[in-house]
Amino acid sequence: GQQVMQIPQYQHVQEGEDFTTYCNSSTTLSNIQWYKQRPGGHPVFLIQLVKSGEVKKQKRLTFQFGEAKKNSSLHITATQTTDVGTYFCAGGKGAQKLVFGQGTRLTINP
Amino acid sequence: EAEVAQSPRYKITEKSQAVAFWCDPISGHATLYWYRQILGQGPELLVQFQDESVVDDSQLPKDRFSAERLKGVDSTLKIQPAELGDSAMYLCASSFRGDQPQHFGDGTRLSIL
Repeated sequence: GQQVMQIPQYQHVQEGEDFTTYCNSSTTLSNIQWYKQRPGGHPVFLIQLVKSGEVKKQKRLTFQFGEAKKNSSLHITATQTTDVGTYFCAGGKGAQKLVFGQGTRLTINP
Repeated sequence: EAEVAQSPRYKITEKSQAVAFWCDPISGHATLYWYRQILGQGPELLVQFQDESVVDDSQLPKDRFSAERLKGVDSTLKIQPAELGDSAMYLCASSFRGDQPQHFGDGTRLSIL
């Protein structure tokens, strides 16, 4: 079945440093979604990408969808302590179930 | 606080007992999901409803788990009998339709003793 892998599993940075997490699917996707889960919280939707090669920005966050629609990345510029949490990608095929990656846990040293 | 309502927030019970979780999705959302999340891992889909119909329950352990959404609104997930390995966070989510962003509830943290 479809698998979604994320790397790295953990990332610790100094406040102000950049952060990137990568997501790879075993199959071609129709869309990819990114979620953030704060410690003790629930996943919160960040963004959805649907087009090959798509790039979207939200303030300091940049999301990319690969040309082959099998990989994606999330880059955070100049991290802040509010960025702490676990970032999940989730791959979808139309209305079929989303498959979540195992997440990248980001911790930040202030 | 999440817009998707779940109860209870915490549940501690002994193995072999029955457990039930309730979820009330965002009004107008036709698609409802139940996920299980083990600490340090991503959510794993247990069951997906479109209105009152199950569209995916391939990962639901049907010998002990059941889920229903009788009127296509709120939903109940049941485990009977509970096993030690069922300890996890159970998350409910809803979306307008199956390919749209999902909104999660706060979850029920289940501990089996």
